[in-house]
Amino acid sequence: DTGVSQNPRHKITKRGQNVTFRCDPISEHNRLYWYRQTLGQGPEFLTYFQNEAQLEKSRLLSDRFSAERPKGSFSTLEIQRTEQGDSAMYLCASSLGGTGTFFGQGTRLTVV
Amino acid sequence: EDQVTQSPEALRLQEGESSSLNCSYTVSGLRGLFWYRQDPGKGPEFLFTLYSAGEEKEKERLKATLTKKESFLHITAPKPEDSATYLCAVQADSGGSYIPTFGRGTSLIVHP
Repeated sequence: DTGVSQNPRHKITKRGQNVTFRCDPISEHNRLYWYRQTLGQGPEFLTYFQNEAQLEKSRLLSDRFSAERPKGSFSTLEIQRTEQGDSAMYLCASSLGGTGTFFGQGTRLTVV
Repeated sequence: EDQVTQSPEALRLQEGESSSLNCSYTVSGLRGLFWYRQDPGKGPEFLFTLYSAGEEKEKERLKATLTKKESFLHITAPKPEDSATYLCAVQADSGGSYIPTFGRGTSLIVHP
């Protein structure tokens, strides 16, 4: 399968714990995006990388959120000290330059 | 600020009843407009990219069109399997970032 891969698909965590999600983009794509989606809403942009450089991170929801893309390949999104309001679907997408953007299946986070 | 508005929020059709979904946008320097289909609990599935006013794209029962202010997704003789949320996103030339901005989507239900 050469699509965007996200792991895990589902994550249940207790409030206050840290969680990390992984995204493997389409191999030839240089751009990687993270979005968050809540019920009934469209995807909300969080951050993006071009190769290994994080070019936009001002829309990360708080300083508890951070993302990395070492070596310009896979990416991780970490949420520290999770809160119930962090419960959402976290989507990763990739593209080649500014062309069509393709999404993974998402990671559903539930904070209890 | 780039804005994307989709209407209606929800649409119920009988099988075979054709209709259109609307995506209106306000951006400076449109680079592309994307349509996605999203099934419950899954990531958005890429359908079309439109780049300039007057452009049209077709795929099976779906046809997307673009003007300078809006895009339409026409659904001809829909089937129950077309039931999904349809998302529109615009990509503007904001300093070269090309970050797709999404609308809230139209939830389509097609009854047999």
